[in-house]
This record gives sequence, C-alpha cells and structure tokens, in this order.
Amino acid sequence: QKEVEQDPGPLSVPEGAIVSLNCTYSNSAFQYFMWYRQYSRKGPELLMYTYSSGNKEDGRFTAQVDKSSKYISLFIRDSQPSDSATYLCASAPSNFGNEKLTFGTGTRLTIIP
Amino acid sequence: GAVVSQHPSRVICKSGTSVKIECRSLDFQATTMFWYRQFPKKSLMLMATSNEGSKATYEQGVEKDKFLINHASLTLSTLTVTSAHPEDSSFYICSARDLVVQGSSSYNEQFFGPGTRLTVL
Repeated sequence: QKEVEQDPGPLSVPEGAIVSLNCTYSNSAFQYFMWYRQYSRKGPELLMYTYSSGNKEDGRFTAQVDKSSKYISLFIRDSQPSDSATYLCASAPSNFGNEKLTFGTGTRLTIIP
Repeated sequence: GAVVSQHPSRVICKSGTSVKIECRSLDFQATTMFWYRQFPKKSLMLMATSNEGSKATYEQGVEKDKFLINHASLTLSTLTVTSAHPEDSSFYICSARDLVVQGSSSYNEQFFGPGTRLTVL
C-alpha cells in the first residue's frame, strides 16, 4: 500500500465551480500535511500546510485534515482558469522543511472558461 | 518566495555515459537540498538529502555510487548519474530548504526547482 494515495484524475470543471481534491494516507506518524501546485515545466510550489487535524483557509483555498480517517482534502472556491495545474498532496512526520516528504501522484486539474 | 533553478532542463544521453544535473538556490543560501525522482504517473520519490560540506544521506534502495551528489557550496548541489541506462530515464527535481518568516512565526520550507528530464537512449 502506498503511504499517500491520490486520484490522478484528470479532473475538468467549469470556471466558478468548487473543486474538491482528496488524498488518503496510511502512516500514522504523519503530522504535517501539504498541498503543492505544479504548473507545466515548473517545480511544485507550496500552497498550504496543515499541522495535525483541522481546517485552514487561505483566500479561495481551504485545506482539511481528518486524522481519524487519514483523509486530506483541498477545496478551491470560485475556480479560475489560472488554477489549472497539477495538485500534489504530501505528508511528513515532523518539520516538513527538514524532513522527507511523501507525495501523492498528483491530480491534474483543468478549469474550463 | 525563494527561487531554485536547475540545469539542464532536458538532457538526452547515450547509455553508459554520465550526466550531471545542477541545482542552485538563486536568492538564498541552502545548507540542505533534496533530490527527488519522478517516473511517469508515479509520485515524486526522495532519493537523497544533500548537506553542504558533508556526505549526502541516501534513501533505501538508491545506489550512492550510481547517483553521486556533491553539495560543495551553500548555493549549489549537483547530481551525477553515472553510467546511465535507459531505466534511469526519469524526471529529476531538487528542492532547497529556506526559513520562511510569517509574522511572529517561522518554519522551514522546501523550495523546488523546475526539474530536469533525463532520457537515456
């Protein structure tokens, strides 16, 4: 079983829709949960990180972690064509800047104007 | 945010040759850099952690003699794929660690380069 599972998509939604991206993980030691956005021919860019369970909101983006079910979600409200990218979830047991990151495979998202 | 570059962005080489990939932190100093590899439709997998002035730490299953890492300065780490074979064809991406300060809190973040696509014929 992979430590972090992510539906690779692709996922296409119309502009303005709410997007829900999800991952599951199996390692109970994971404490930090990250979402990265990767545009074509670019490196992953950190969108948000969450420590332990709970919600975190940043503008149109909301990250949710449910440690009881080992479920990670990213919601994008009022989606824009510029949100079209590959989104990767990642987890780490402690300080994610210093630690090995375990990534999902990434979900390719297209927002249709 | 901090900027990390990689060179080259794409490389095609013959089987048996060696290829060097550079990872540079452009506007910050990085004592720690990480090297990842990604196969098509697979996750980014950490290969090794590179610390300036010391030997790299390799993940289980990664051959240190095949993937040579040199982190000779605070802004440059190199990955050399020695005696490359077609199965080494992959997307190699580095990250560099920097401290991010947000208000009264701070945390370490890995900033990623754009990646290098290696094709071994």
